[in-house]
Amino acid sequence: ETGVTQSPTHLIKTRGQQVTLRCSSQSGHNTVSWYQQALGQGPQFIFQYYREEENGRGNFPPRFSGLQFPNYSSELNVNALELDDSALYLCASSDLDRVGEQYFGPGTRLTVT
Amino acid sequence: AQTVTQSQPEMSVQEAETVTLSCTYDTSESDYYLFWYKQPPSRQMILVIRQEAYKQQNATENRFSVNFQKAAKSFSLKISDSQLGDAAMYFCAYRSGDNYGQNFVFGPGTRLSVLP
Repeated sequence: ETGVTQSPTHLIKTRGQQVTLRCSSQSGHNTVSWYQQALGQGPQFIFQYYREEENGRGNFPPRFSGLQFPNYSSELNVNALELDDSALYLCASSDLDRVGEQYFGPGTRLTVT
Repeated sequence: AQTVTQSQPEMSVQEAETVTLSCTYDTSESDYYLFWYKQPPSRQMILVIRQEAYKQQNATENRFSVNFQKAAKSFSLKISDSQLGDAAMYFCAYRSGDNYGQNFVFGPGTRLSVLP
């Protein structure tokens, strides 16, 4: 098990609602990346936060937004939920200077009905 | 944009036997890293092995080894002496050498079953 935690474990929302997912990074890590993993597919990069600033973004619309806090924990916010947003959301923490040392959390399963 | 392809959606192997999972990628960069991640049914993604593109020597981690063919843009994973606990989804991933974004591009995955 890694030291990365995510909450909640499961979530059910209705189309059009907003959701906030949370991630606590591993001790000593300054970077959090968020991924969306649809059923049966590989994870897709949403964005990354390094020392509280966005440090890269994938091909996701602006209704996907995030925050990183001074303790390097992070939130993913999704507005105006769509059915296609149903997926497993993974966060991964790392030290930006150490390539490959990206530790994943267990994920949050979001279902949009 | 970089892409990662895994042409084997599912594979199976007998316990104690050897299996090889395939991965190809496309990039115009010369500096990059390649990884294999394992995702058991419990969902938590675990790093199995990584390879720096500038290294000619293939990476090895205990029963796991890779065959890195840079010119062919191929990066296969060999699992020796397969164990029941090796059953999982395996993802091949690419990361640019550029620190910006540090995002990983994942392949679609290969589901590995280990038969007793």
